[in-house]
Amino acid sequence: DAKTTQPPSMDCAEGRAANLPCNHSTISGNEYVYWYRQIHSQGPQYIIHGLKNNETNEMASLIITEDRKSSTLILPHATLRDTAVYYCIVRVVSDNNDMRFGAGTRLTVKP
Amino acid sequence: SAVISQKPSRDICQRGTSLTIQCQVDSQVTMMFWYRQQPGQSLTLIATANQGSEATYESGFVIDKFPISRPNLTFSTLTVSNMSPEDSSIYLCSVEAQGRVGETQYFGPGTRLLVL
Repeated sequence: DAKTTQPPSMDCAEGRAANLPCNHSTISGNEYVYWYRQIHSQGPQYIIHGLKNNETNEMASLIITEDRKSSTLILPHATLRDTAVYYCIVRVVSDNNDMRFGAGTRLTVKP
Repeated sequence: SAVISQKPSRDICQRGTSLTIQCQVDSQVTMMFWYRQQPGQSLTLIATANQGSEATYESGFVIDKFPISRPNLTFSTLTVSNMSPEDSSIYLCSVEAQGRVGETQYFGPGTRLLVL
């Protein structure tokens, strides 16, 4: 059973903000929201994660709704190198817990 | 964070042979994970490797086909045994490590395997 729902694909113009949505309506109180991306044929790259507060780092911002049922990953100024598959994952933080990857969103940044 | 390397980065193998993939991390970690990514697909967990104990395999994966070693806290190997073309995939290892906001998983660059 899928714990997250993402659109299969999105386009974004270079230099504009890319806003990638994720629905996780069945998220539990102790589950974090993680975002990874995978550029063609490379290993997944960790981007950001959070529990309920919005988070920002040098790569992106993560906006989590107050009810935690959805979130948005924001790439503030997309570049061509941001073209990748973006995965939204919910997970309880534990040494034993793997990351369960869905199909993700294929983001294409266009010049 | 954690820096992970894998060897080999890619290989082309004949069916019926075996390949051992190495995963090295730059810090001591409790758990290491092995994933497979078949062409055009998302990642699927093969097994979880804890140092000093037998690996735990996911449904559909067995130790005879994918034996795993975990001799210390910074290293693991995954062997793909008696390969067939259906084993052509990217094989990835990952580790759990401390990030800026709690723990997260970091992935190696992957091993691209083509079985002829």
